[in-house]
Amino acid sequence: EAQVTQNPRYLITVTGKKLTVTCSQNMNHEYMSWYRQDPGLGLRQIYYSMNVEVTDKGDVPEGYKVSRKEKRNFPLILESPSPNQTSLYFCATTSDSSGELFFGEGSRLTVL
Amino acid sequence: KNQVEQSPQSLIILEGKNCTLQCNYTVSPFSNLRWYKQDTGRGPVSLTIMTFSENTKSNGRYTATLDADTKQSSLHITASQLSDSASYICVVSIQRGYQKVTFGIGTKLQVIP
Repeated sequence: EAQVTQNPRYLITVTGKKLTVTCSQNMNHEYMSWYRQDPGLGLRQIYYSMNVEVTDKGDVPEGYKVSRKEKRNFPLILESPSPNQTSLYFCATTSDSSGELFFGEGSRLTVL
Repeated sequence: KNQVEQSPQSLIILEGKNCTLQCNYTVSPFSNLRWYKQDTGRGPVSLTIMTFSENTKSNGRYTATLDADTKQSSLHITASQLSDSASYICVVSIQRGYQKVTFGIGTKLQVIP
């Protein structure tokens, strides 16, 4: 079954405590991306990756880092989380041919 | 600036009724437009894709239309069911670059018995 798996699904943390949200896909897609979704703002792209070792900033990259060492994994790193990073985060993949985005189930992050 | 605007922001309809959601975009150059359904607490799932040359496309009780001249799309839901309660997001792609997408904020639909 084609899947995009995110972990953790829910996390409450405190300001400044580094955390990583993992994303793994089994569809062999080259393109992966991270989004955050906030009420009234919709989905906004944080970072994306066209392939292994190729990453680039999206629309709201401040405060986030990513890495793409393997094709299937694309972790999102918050080095020093702040309350304004409280949000619902989605990882997504797509194949070049279809352009359809396949989203993970989401990770709800609360930073106190 | 590339923008995608959706209306209404929210909608409540009775089960069995039809409804139409609107999407206006200023994205250029246009590649395709997708409608996604997002159930509460879940990731969005693609319903339909419309390319420049397509006017209408159906997926079961969902019918999407596209007017590339006026840069408008609509999603019509026929004989609504309780399971249609969700947010519907319009997403427009630029050229063929799937990484260059612009999202609408979405329309939250609630179907009540």
